[in-house]
Amino acid sequence: EAQVTQNPRYLITVTGKKLTVTCSQNMNHEYMSWYRQDPGLGLRQIYYSMNVEVTDKGDVPEGYKVSRKEKRNFPLILESPSPNQTSLYFCASRRDRVSDTQYFGPGTRLTVL
Amino acid sequence: DAKTTQPTSMDCAEGRAANLPCNHSTISGNEYVYWYRQIHSQGPQYIIHGLKNNETNEMASLIITEDRKSSTLILPHATLRDTAVYYCIVDRISNFGNEKLTFGTGTRLTIIP
Repeated sequence: EAQVTQNPRYLITVTGKKLTVTCSQNMNHEYMSWYRQDPGLGLRQIYYSMNVEVTDKGDVPEGYKVSRKEKRNFPLILESPSPNQTSLYFCASRRDRVSDTQYFGPGTRLTVL
Repeated sequence: DAKTTQPTSMDCAEGRAANLPCNHSTISGNEYVYWYRQIHSQGPQYIIHGLKNNETNEMASLIITEDRKSSTLILPHATLRDTAVYYCIVDRISNFGNEKLTFGTGTRLTIIP
C-alpha cells in the first residue's frame, strides 16, 4: 500500500531535549516536505527536499533541521525543542516537482513542556 | 500566490449533494485550483484539481467558472465520513523551485444524519 508513515504519532517532551520525528514513504517520490499545523494558522511549510541531499527552508524553518540521505526518508530534527514548537506535524511527499498530488502522513502531535 | 476565500463552516444532510464554494478572484492564468480535505487532525487528503475545465473523479466534481474567479467542489452524495475541513488552494505547477501548497483555514463541513 502506498503510504507516508511518521513516528512517533504522539510525543511529550521537555524543553531542550533533542528529538527526531521520522518520515518514510514507499512510493519512490523525489519531493518531500514537512509542515506544522497550528490553530488559526493553517499548514505552514518548515522544510522541503527536492531529492537526495537537496533540502531547503520553507516558511518557518527556525528551530528545525532536516536531512535527506535516502530517497525514502526525511527526518525532522529538533535540536533544542521549545514550547512554541508544540504543534501537529505532517510529512508529505509527491512524485516530483511538477506532480499534482501530495500525499500526507498521519501526523505527529508534539507537546514541549 | 493567489488567495482564496471560503466559508468558515457549512452543514449538509446525509445523502444530499454538498456544494462547497471558493473565491479566488486574483488567480493567475497558470495557477490551478486544488481541493484537499482533512478529517479530524489526520493528514490532508487530495480530492481533485483543475485549471479551467470542469473535472470529475471518483470522489468529487470541480466546477470552475469561466472567468476562473471562483469554483465549487461538489460531493454528489455526502456521507457521514465526508465530515471534514475542506481546503481550496490555488497554486501553479512549475519546473522550478519549491512546490508547496499554502493551506488557509478552509471550510468545516458537517454532514447531518
